[in-house]
Amino acid sequence: ETGVTQTPRHLVMGMTNKKSLKCEQHLGHNAMYWYKQSAKKPLELMFVYSLEERVENNSVPSRFSPECPNSSHLFLHLHTLQPEDSALYLCASSLNMRVRAGDNEQFFGPGTRLTVL
Amino acid sequence: AQSVTQPDIHITVSEGASLELRCNYSYGATPYLFWYVQSPGQGLQLLLKYFSGDTLVQGIKGFEAEFKRSQSSFNLRKPSVHWSDAAEYFCAVGIFQTGANNLFFGTGTRLTVIP
Repeated sequence: ETGVTQTPRHLVMGMTNKKSLKCEQHLGHNAMYWYKQSAKKPLELMFVYSLEERVENNSVPSRFSPECPNSSHLFLHLHTLQPEDSALYLCASSLNMRVRAGDNEQFFGPGTRLTVL
Repeated sequence: AQSVTQPDIHITVSEGASLELRCNYSYGATPYLFWYVQSPGQGLQLLLKYFSGDTLVQGIKGFEAEFKRSQSSFNLRKPSVHWSDAAEYFCAVGIFQTGANNLFFGTGTRLTVIP
C-alpha cells in the first residue's frame, strides 16, 4: 500500500451504533488530520494530530472521538451519531505540521462515505 | 477571519476548450494557496501550490494558476481541457496559526467536460 489509505470506504450505521474509521499513512509523515466533507459545504477540519498528540479540535461534538496510537495510524470512533453527520470523512497527512514550509503538503486518502440512518 | 470563495459551483466546457476556475481569498497576510482536484470516489490530489516568488505557478496535468495580490485571487487555468479533467476542484488557503498549518477550503467547482 502506498500513500494514505482509509477503511472502510463505505459505512452505514444506526444512531445507536458504535463504529470506527481507520486511516493509515505509508509516507513517513508526522501529522495527520480528519476532515468532514458535506454536500455544498467547504471541507471542515475536525482534528489535527502531530506526533500522536492532538493539537487541534475544531469544536467537534464529543460523539466523534479521535485516536492516534502512532504516527502512521489515525482512528475516528463514532457513537450515537445523528443523520446530519452523514458525510465523506477524509483523512490526510503531512510531513511536519509545525513547519511553516512550502513543502508541507497534505496528502489525502480516498475517504469513508458515512451514512447515518 | 480567513475565507475562500469559489463563485462558480458548476462549469461545463467542451473538450479542447480553455478553462479558468476562479478563487478569491480573504486573509490579512500573504497566504499559502493551493488547488486540489477530487475525482468521483477519490480523495483530494494536489494540483499546484503557491508560497512565494513567481506569481504564475505550474502544476500537474497541464494546469497553472496565477496569484494576483491586488485582486486576492488565485485562478486556475488550463489551455485545453481533456475529458479526464472532469472532477471537483477545490481552492484552499493554508494558514500557520496556533502552531498548526491549517487549510481552509472553498466549496468547490464541479467541472463537466462535454465531447
